[in-house]
Amino acid sequence: GQSLEQPSEVTAVEGAIVQINCTYQTSGFYGLSWYQQHDGGAPTFLSYNALDGLEETGRFSSFLSRSDSYGYLLLQELQMKDSASYFCAVRDTSNSGYALNFGKGTSLLVTP
Amino acid sequence: DGGITQSPKYLFRKEGQNVTLSCEQNLNHDAMYWYRQDPGQGLRLIYYSQIVNDFQKGDIAEGYSVSREKKESFPLTVTSAQKNPTAFYLCASSANSATNEKLFFGSGTQLSVL
Repeated sequence: GQSLEQPSEVTAVEGAIVQINCTYQTSGFYGLSWYQQHDGGAPTFLSYNALDGLEETGRFSSFLSRSDSYGYLLLQELQMKDSASYFCAVRDTSNSGYALNFGKGTSLLVTP
Repeated sequence: DGGITQSPKYLFRKEGQNVTLSCEQNLNHDAMYWYRQDPGQGLRLIYYSQIVNDFQKGDIAEGYSVSREKKESFPLTVTSAQKNPTAFYLCASSANSATNEKLFFGSGTQLSVL
């Protein structure tokens, strides 16, 4: 089986930096993905880490430590439009490695 | 424009009724997925299909059925056996099952019970 843990809510100020952590327990592991979902909308892909280290894509970065079963999503220069839910997801050997398993999500509120 | 289309956006089910949610993609993707999302919860996998005419159960398949007769289409039927069907249903696709870390999602169907 597998489980993913991430904080349920985070609040940050516009222009600041925020880090959303994700720890996972899996029976096998291929990589860690991050998705963003605005209220009532479709999740959209943000990043994927298969190897240890930091991946940067504009204002967003994602980090993975396979030895610690831990990753995080870093959002810089926060904007109001970044208020959304953020999900980490693992591709692991459950479901034969053919489908992603998602965490419960972190609701990010960006305030003025 | 390429993408995934789910319909209807809102659907109401009466007691004992089966309802079918539509999912169509024109991305030429091999793999398709159905997830269920409850308020404040993550996405839970219902069914997935790696190729046409093949599909596998996910973590919460009971009370649901699917078909994959065409590459573009992966409809989900919520049967009367599903006792708590009220949820937001999301369909997704990926180029193939080896690249499933990047999913493309439809805009979802909100199913409610009358």
